[in-house]
This record gives sequence, structure tokens and C-alpha cells, in this order.
Amino acid sequence: DVKVTQSSRYLVKRTGEKVFLECVQDMDHENMFWYRQDPGLGLRLIYFSYDVKMKEKGDIPEGYSVSREKKERFSLILESASTNQTSMYLCASRTQQSSYEQYFGPGTRLTVT
Amino acid sequence: SQQGEEDPQALSIQEGENATMNCSYKTSINNLQWYRQNSGRGLVHLILIRSNEREKHSGRLRVTLDTSKKSSSLLITASRAADTASYFCATEGGSWGKLQFGAGTQVVVTP
Repeated sequence: DVKVTQSSRYLVKRTGEKVFLECVQDMDHENMFWYRQDPGLGLRLIYFSYDVKMKEKGDIPEGYSVSREKKERFSLILESASTNQTSMYLCASRTQQSSYEQYFGPGTRLTVT
Repeated sequence: SQQGEEDPQALSIQEGENATMNCSYKTSINNLQWYRQNSGRGLVHLILIRSNEREKHSGRLRVTLDTSKKSSSLLITASRAADTASYFCATEGGSWGKLQFGAGTQVVVTP
């Protein structure tokens, strides 16, 4: 059974803190993605990684960075959290071949106060 | 930027009725996918339709794709209370499997 796990379901951080969101997949997928989800806006892609140590900016990368040192793990980093980064963060993975679904983690609801 | 736009934004039906939601998109695609999200959870893939396909079925789901109109529809037949969720269309048009999601349709099925 495929599985994508995220380190926390709920997280509360203060403005200016450095925040790490971890995502782990056990499917040996090459591609991994970080999205944020806000009401009325759907999912927006922050960053994605097509292989280990590879990363590409998505649609809204400002204020975020990522790290992929191992194939199964993709980390999202908020260098200095701000209140406008309060959101639901979703991680996903998929195989390299085209036309394959993305598998999502349960999400991390981050609140920055 | 959003590629898919779902319509309606919200839908309320009774158990046993059919639910139809539509998705329009702007640029050419390789495939279009539908996902379901139960309240506060991650997304679950429902069905994928390729750009050279016009219709696809999976259980109680029926998806159509009209590339000339850049639109798709998802039909859920004989809905159940467990179908209560948000439904998102997502288009894949380029490389690396990047998906563009719409804002979603919130479906409530009452017993």
C-alpha cells in the first residue's frame, strides 16, 4: 500500500521562526511536490523535485526553500515564517513516467502567529 | 496560476441523486485528473483521462473530456453520504508531472 507521510498534522509557529516540514514516501518515486492549499485558491505548487538533489520552483516559491538529500524525503523550509504563510501544506509524489497520478500525504496545517 | 476552473463551487444533493461538476482549462494538456479531498485531509486520485480519450468510467464515476472546448465533467451516480467531499480537477500539460489544480467543487450529500 502506497504511503506518503508528513511530519506533523498541525503546527503552530511564531513569526520569524524557521520552520521545517518533512515529507517521506515509501514508493521509490522520483518526483516529489510541495503545495499549499488556501480556501478558494485550490492547490498551488511551491516547489518540486524530479530526483535527488534536484529542485525546481513552482508557481509560488517566494519565502520557501526545499531540500532533497535522499530519494524518499523532501523537506520544505520556511526560512522566516510570516503570517501569510499560514496555510495547509500538502506533499505529493509520483513516478517519473508521464500520465501517472500523484499520491498525497495527509497535509500539515501550519499556523503562524 | 490556476489552470482548471470548477463549476459549480458548491453542490448539495440527496443520497441516490447524481452529482455533476465541470472543469474548464486554458491551455493544451496531456491528461486531466480528478481528485477527492475529505475534510481537512490529503487528496485521493479518482480517475485520469488522457487527451486522446473522450470518456472514461470507474465504478460510479464517469468522466468526459472535450479538448475542443477545453472542458471536462465528472459525474458521480447514485451518490452516497460518503461522497461528501471536495472534488478537484487537475491538468497535466508539460514535463515532470506538474499539475495545475482548480479551486474545487464542494459536494454535500445528505441522507
